[in-house]
Amino acid sequence: AQSVAQPEDQVNVAEGNPLTVKCTYSVSGNPYLFWYVQYPNRGLQFLLKYITGDNLVKGSYGFEAEFNKSQTSFHLKKPSALVSDSALYFCAVRDKRTGTASKLTFGTGTRLQVTL
Amino acid sequence: NAGVMQNPRHLVRRRGQEARLRCSPMKGHSHVYWYRQLPEEGLKFMVYLQKENIIDESGMPKERFSAEFPKEGPSILRIQQVVRGDSAAYFCASSEGRADNYGYTFGSGTRLTVV
Repeated sequence: AQSVAQPEDQVNVAEGNPLTVKCTYSVSGNPYLFWYVQYPNRGLQFLLKYITGDNLVKGSYGFEAEFNKSQTSFHLKKPSALVSDSALYFCAVRDKRTGTASKLTFGTGTRLQVTL
Repeated sequence: NAGVMQNPRHLVRRRGQEARLRCSPMKGHSHVYWYRQLPEEGLKFMVYLQKENIIDESGMPKERFSAEFPKEGPSILRIQQVVRGDSAAYFCASSEGRADNYGYTFGSGTRLTVV
């Protein structure tokens, strides 16, 4: 079974400060990892993914995430937060060993609040 | 490219009625996934379909819920005899191939309210 944990329901950060949204995962094999963002009353938008290669993945809107196999983590980061980054962020995982059923398993989400 | 289209955006049903949610995947996408988001909760996988086939329905409730993705037309998620607990946002996502290679593209969701 695969699972994702986002330990923080909400993260508050001042505009201009760095932000981190935490994610840890559990899979039997090697993971595919994703971050999505959801704005109010909208669907989820893809931010970035880790499939293989460099542990630091760069994505949309200046976000990046670092894959850490030993800690089974994939934390989302941004060097300088913007008020417009305020949204709900979801981490997702899939076990590479899964066959044709390729569903993603999502965490419960972390609400990011960026204030002036 | 219009993206993943879901309709209706909002649906209100009385207890006992049927709800039909439609999802048209992005052009060229043949894989469709349905997720449910309950208030203040994350997304829960329901079903994964390819054209005319259900690949994985491990997240579907055993009763009242069904899904299809016919050769022609949109994917349909059908909820019979709705109850208040079915009130949620239902999201459809599509992908060109396996989600790990291509990721998902999500629709804007259908918000079902059962009164």
